Amino acid sequence: NAGVTQTPKFQVLKTGQSMTLQCAQDMNHEYMSWYRQDPGMGLRLIHYSVGAGITDQGEVPNGYNVSRSTTEDFPLRLLSAAPSQTSVYFCASSSQIGRRTDTQYFGPGTRLTVL
Amino acid sequence: DQQVKQNSPSLSVQEGRISILNCDYTNSMFDYFLWYKKYPAEGPTFLISISSIKDKNEDGRFTVFLNKSAKHLSLHIVPSQPGDSAVYFCAARKGNFNKFYFGSGTKLNVKP
Repeated sequence: NAGVTQTPKFQVLKTGQSMTLQCAQDMNHEYMSWYRQDPGMGLRLIHYSVGAGITDQGEVPNGYNVSRSTTEDFPLRLLSAAPSQTSVYFCASSSQIGRRTDTQYFGPGTRLTVL
Repeated sequence: DQQVKQNSPSLSVQEGRISILNCDYTNSMFDYFLWYKKYPAEGPTFLISISSIKDKNEDGRFTVFLNKSAKHLSLHIVPSQPGDSAVYFCAARKGNFNKFYFGSGTKLNVKP
């Protein structure tokens, strides 16, 4: 199993550009999520999904869109990048027990810089 | 306003001694707590967890203690090893079972 994979590893954007961060998992996990990590702030939840076709907002959803058309993939879209979105982005997945999500498995991260 | 706080950005410990990492939270609705370990240029990896119905959980060299009245949890690593040097995040889950809140992390350095 590859686990959780993220592409690209690094990206530099100009303000106003759009892009999609890719995330895929091969563990058949129902739950997938996106976090951003900023210095002194820890990881903050952006969006999450509990299954194909189902998404919900996390702590810091503004400026980001997600969709979940398959169990495996959970892309994160930045429609108009801003310098405040400079961060390291982590995707994670987890199986669910009933309605509960327990341990999450994280991808290696995407380091995004917006100039 | 951060609901999960790790007030020590860094900790340095001698190899073989105990490492104690602390975490405080503000929301009494949190029902499940986890610790993750993160090496540079990698994603966090799960270390140990504890449910709010327990006050202690042990896994090898790692023990997590939960004090609900103080809204405090701690991770003990005994004995500490140089390979334990990493950033440690505590996290908590509440409410709809799918939202997790992370602390800002503590960088542990275990000196040989």
